[in-house]
Amino acid sequence: DSGVTQTPKHLITATGQRVTLRCSPRSGDLSVYWYQQSLDQGLQFLIHYYNGEERAKGNILERFSAQQFPDLHSELNLSSLELGDSALYFCASSTKTGRDTQYFGPGTRLTVL
Amino acid sequence: QKEVEQDPGPLSVPEGAIVSLNCTYSNSAFQYFMWYRQYSRKGPELLMYTYSSGNKEDGRFTAQVDKSSKYISLFIRDSQPSDSATYLCAMMDSSYKLIFGSGTRLLVRP
Repeated sequence: DSGVTQTPKHLITATGQRVTLRCSPRSGDLSVYWYQQSLDQGLQFLIHYYNGEERAKGNILERFSAQQFPDLHSELNLSSLELGDSALYFCASSTKTGRDTQYFGPGTRLTVL
Repeated sequence: QKEVEQDPGPLSVPEGAIVSLNCTYSNSAFQYFMWYRQYSRKGPELLMYTYSSGNKEDGRFTAQVDKSSKYISLFIRDSQPSDSATYLCAMMDSSYKLIFGSGTRLLVRP
């Protein structure tokens, strides 16, 4: 158990809908990273927040957004969902930023029908 | 060309064998290298973290980095059926995000 929690574990929804994925980092960790893992693209970085501020963006679609709240938990919002958004979504946390080890949560499996 | 290339396998070995997993990369700016293990689409678990050329050993695992060749390896000694998983190499870029290889599936046969 990495200490990173993610809810829900599974999410099934329809195209065009909007969902919110939640991540609670390890106690004391200030950085949260979001990754998407699909069969054809592998594990890809989406976005990084540090202590409430966005620090880096990867190949995140405009339909996707994220935020980190004052209690350091983070939410990833996915809207206008498409079939291709079906994937595992992981968050990871680290103590600060920079070279710190990133610990991954168990993931949320999103299925878009 | 992908920034990180990794043979997807699957790699099937008998119990007790030495396993060699490899990745190559193209970005010479990568300075930090990791190996993660992932069971059945669960969260990746960090195995090794290295930041310099050479070898780093932890129990049955040895990570090797050759920056001049842009090549990293993970060796698993005395492999066990419980080592059966997907192994992901990852490199940290200048903005501290991880760039992952596609993963190698390993099966250790009893």
